[in-house]
Amino acid sequence: QVQLVESGGGVVQPGRSLRLSCAASGFTFSNYGIHWVRQAPGKGLEWVAVISSDGDNKWYADSVKGRFTISRDNSKNTLYLQMNNLRAEDTAVYYCAKDWNNFDYWGQGTLVTVSS
Amino acid sequence: QSVLTQPPSASGTPGQRVTISCSGSSSNIGSNTVNWYQQLPGTAPKLLIYSNNQRPSGVPDRFSGSKSGTSASLAISGLQSEDEADYYCAAWDDSLNGVLFGGGTKLTVL
Repeated sequence: QVQLVESGGGVVQPGRSLRLSCAASGFTFSNYGIHWVRQAPGKGLEWVAVISSDGDNKWYADSVKGRFTISRDNSKNTLYLQMNNLRAEDTAVYYCAKDWNNFDYWGQGTLVTVSS
Repeated sequence: QSVLTQPPSASGTPGQRVTISCSGSSSNIGSNTVNWYQQLPGTAPKLLIYSNNQRPSGVPDRFSGSKSGTSASLAISGLQSEDEADYYCAAWDDSLNGVLFGGGTKLTVL
């Protein structure tokens, strides 16, 4: 069965960095684009970034452009999100979601808290 | 502020039919397909409807989606208590080169 497991969240001070991972199993990882989506406490869903199946194409939300970098290692079936210069407003649960068009499977999320 | 506009709340009694609207523009709903997601309290979102009106395997046929022009709708018939959740629409936006989510609609089953 399809599984997506996020990790790497935690408490970090403003201006610092954090790298999230999303370990995938149960499907051919290298065939699918994958998204990061976040949800601030008590708020709605916000799309963060997407990467194509081969890693060549990446798109970002304006709110994270220039600070976050999405990448993948198809040999390890793992997606990453490098988050630099973190701000308080980046505090959220971060989900990875499979499939460019449909977000058909989601992980359970990892919480990132940006606070001094 | 979401560019896809949903009502913040909706409600109905068991057995009723409710609809949730999602309004966008020519650069998103008007030119791309719409998906709907259900998020039960404390859980990750789940794909409910894809490509405007398609149900993934396992989603009851009580759930249906439609799209017309720059708007889309999710309909839930035979409302059940377990349908109480947050519902989100989403679509790719050609101007932003990214995905837009609606602000979400909290469905209450009275």
